[in-house]
Amino acid sequence: DQQVKQNSPSLSVQEGRISILNCDYTNSMFDYFLWYKKYPAEGPTFLISISSIKDKNEDGRFTVFLNKSAKHLSLHIVPSQPGDSAVYFCAASAYVNTNAGKSTFGDGTTLTVKP
Amino acid sequence: ETGVTQTPRHLVMGMTNKKSLKCEQHLGHNAMYWYKQSAKKPLELMFVYNFKEQTENNSVPSRFSPECPNSSHLFLHLHTLQPEDSALYLCASSKASSGANVLTFGAGSRLTVL
Repeated sequence: DQQVKQNSPSLSVQEGRISILNCDYTNSMFDYFLWYKKYPAEGPTFLISISSIKDKNEDGRFTVFLNKSAKHLSLHIVPSQPGDSAVYFCAASAYVNTNAGKSTFGDGTTLTVKP
Repeated sequence: ETGVTQTPRHLVMGMTNKKSLKCEQHLGHNAMYWYKQSAKKPLELMFVYNFKEQTENNSVPSRFSPECPNSSHLFLHLHTLQPEDSALYLCASSKASSGANVLTFGAGSRLTVL
C-alpha cells in the first residue's frame, strides 16, 4: 500500500506562470512533509518542508500548502522558470526513534517549464 | 558536490559477482540511509543507520548486506543479485534530532545486473 502518492506523472507549464504539483498521503501519523527536486544524473535535493501542524510554508517562489483533513499537500512555484524543469518528489517523514527519521516518497512528477 | 559522495557511479555485474557500493559524508550527520529507485517506482527505503547502529531494515533480501563502520561511511555489499535488482541506489544522510529530517542525497550508483 503506497502511503504517499503523486497522481500526475508529468506537468508542463509556460515560463512565468504558476506550477502546481500535488501529493496525497494516507498515514495521519506523519510529522513533516517535504519536497525534493531531482535533476538527471543527480540525487534529489531538498526544496521546502512543512510541519504537520502548519497549513502553509513559503520560501521565495516556492509555497507548500497542507490540507490535513483531505490528506493533501501541494507545491506552488510562481513564477515558474525553465531552470525549475526537474522531477519533484513529495515525501512524508516520521521518526523511528529520537535520532533517525524515516521518509516515504511519492513516485515523482516531471515538471517541464517552457520558455 | 552535494556533501554525500557515492562510488562507483555506474556498476555492471553478473549474478554470481560480489561487489560493494560506498557512501561517504562529512557533513557531521548522524544518520545514513540506503534508498533504491527502480524505474516507474517511488524511492524505496532499504536501511537506516543511526550513529552506525542499524535501526531499520525494510524487509530487504539478504543478498544486500549493509555495513556502517562509522557515522561517515556506509557500504552496501552485493552478492548473487538478480536482474530485477538493477536500479539506482541512493545514499542519504541527515542530522536527525527534531524537525523535518531533511535528507542530503548522493548522486547515486546506477547498478545493472546481467
